[in-house]
Amino acid sequence: QVTLRESGPALVKPTQTLTLTCTFSGFSLSTSGMCVSWIRQPPGKALEWLALIDWDDDKYYSTSLKTRLTISKDTSKNQVVLTMTNMDPVDTATYYCARISLSSNAFDIWGQGTMVTVSS
Amino acid sequence: QSALTQPPSVSGSPGQSVTISCTGTSSDVGSYNRVSWYQQPPGTAPKLMIYEVSNRPSGVPDRFSGSKSGNTASLTISGLQAEDEADYYCSSYTSSSPLYVFGTGTKVTVL
Repeated sequence: QVTLRESGPALVKPTQTLTLTCTFSGFSLSTSGMCVSWIRQPPGKALEWLALIDWDDDKYYSTSLKTRLTISKDTSKNQVVLTMTNMDPVDTATYYCARISLSSNAFDIWGQGTMVTVSS
Repeated sequence: QSALTQPPSVSGSPGQSVTISCTGTSSDVGSYNRVSWYQQPPGTAPKLMIYEVSNRPSGVPDRFSGSKSGNTASLTISGLQAEDEADYYCSSYTSSSPLYVFGTGTKVTVL
């Protein structure tokens, strides 16, 4: 069974750096074709794709947030980490991690999400 | 890269069919079959309903079907049921940055 779970702080202050961890099981990110992505959703708003890391350690970022995002993986721990610098209240959102596999070319399994509020 | 365009809401009575459109460009929906659809009931994570335009993952009822014509993809729910009430999002791979783009979302209401 494939599962993903996000973890991180529920509250961060403006200008701080957010670090989120996605811990997964049921697949290996060293398997060809596997990818993990981060997606966020502000309250009452649409989904927004943020970043992706693939089995070959290639990394891709949202154009508008590229300068603030870093994605990395620890294959031995089955974890993907996303950092976002210079947090602002507009970054308040639920942050999801999701798996992409070449068999579906879609976000086929999602974590439950973690709500992050940016406030002083 | 702008979000894919979806109607804000659609509604139908139980048993009826509803169709949600998802309009992109020749850089995303129009060029790739990596179009997928997600169902998101309130307070829950999105769930994959359709991948690669028209394929259903195991466990998704065959009432859900997908198609594509040009730059527009569509999700049709046939035989609408109360449990189908949720927000629905489309997504597409894109050749221009960012790598993936989501739709603006559609709220499906069962009357």
